[in-house]
Amino acid sequence: SQQGEEDPQALSIQEGENATMNCSYKTSINNLQWYRQNSGRGLVHLILIRSNEREKHSGRLRVTLDTSKKSSSLLITASRAADTASYFCATVPPSGYSTLTFGKGTMLLVSP
Amino acid sequence: EPEVTQTPSHQVTQMGQEVILRCVPISNHLYFYWYRQILGQKVEFLVSFYNNEISEKSEIFDDQFSVERPDGSNFTLKIRSTKLEDSAMYFCASKADRGWDEQYFGPGTRLTVT
Repeated sequence: SQQGEEDPQALSIQEGENATMNCSYKTSINNLQWYRQNSGRGLVHLILIRSNEREKHSGRLRVTLDTSKKSSSLLITASRAADTASYFCATVPPSGYSTLTFGKGTMLLVSP
Repeated sequence: EPEVTQTPSHQVTQMGQEVILRCVPISNHLYFYWYRQILGQKVEFLVSFYNNEISEKSEIFDDQFSVERPDGSNFTLKIRSTKLEDSAMYFCASKADRGWDEQYFGPGTRLTVT
């Protein structure tokens, strides 16, 4: 089964800095999605990138996808303390089912 | 903005008891999901539901688990005889239709089995 694996496991930065998180997966995908989870809360969808796309932007978020390396990165620019959360990548298989397979996540701490 | 809701937010139960976790998906959504997250671990898929039947389930979703959409709004997950290892956060999610990939997650129900 495919898995998303993020690195680093934890990232600590200062406000205003950029944060980059990486995700690797093992099998073919239809799309890859990034979610955010604040401590003890639900998952919030951030951005989706399809297998035929290489880069996507949404506000301060930039996502890249390299299907040849089976990897994706999430860049948060000009980070804020409110960005402190866990970030997960999740893959959707090409099968037609939309089941999400999540990675272990990166815990981001943004200090004021 | 429409949102997925879940009740209760926290459920404590004794091992061997049955629990029902409830979810109200976004009203015009057609696909429904349950995921769980054991503390400190990744979010894991349990089951997907469409057109009043299970469309996919994981190995975790054994005979102890069942799902139901008893009316036009609720979507429930039942665990017949809870085990200690069922302790986790359970998330419900819904999706608008087949061509729409974004899943909207509820805030979760924390299940503690003692």
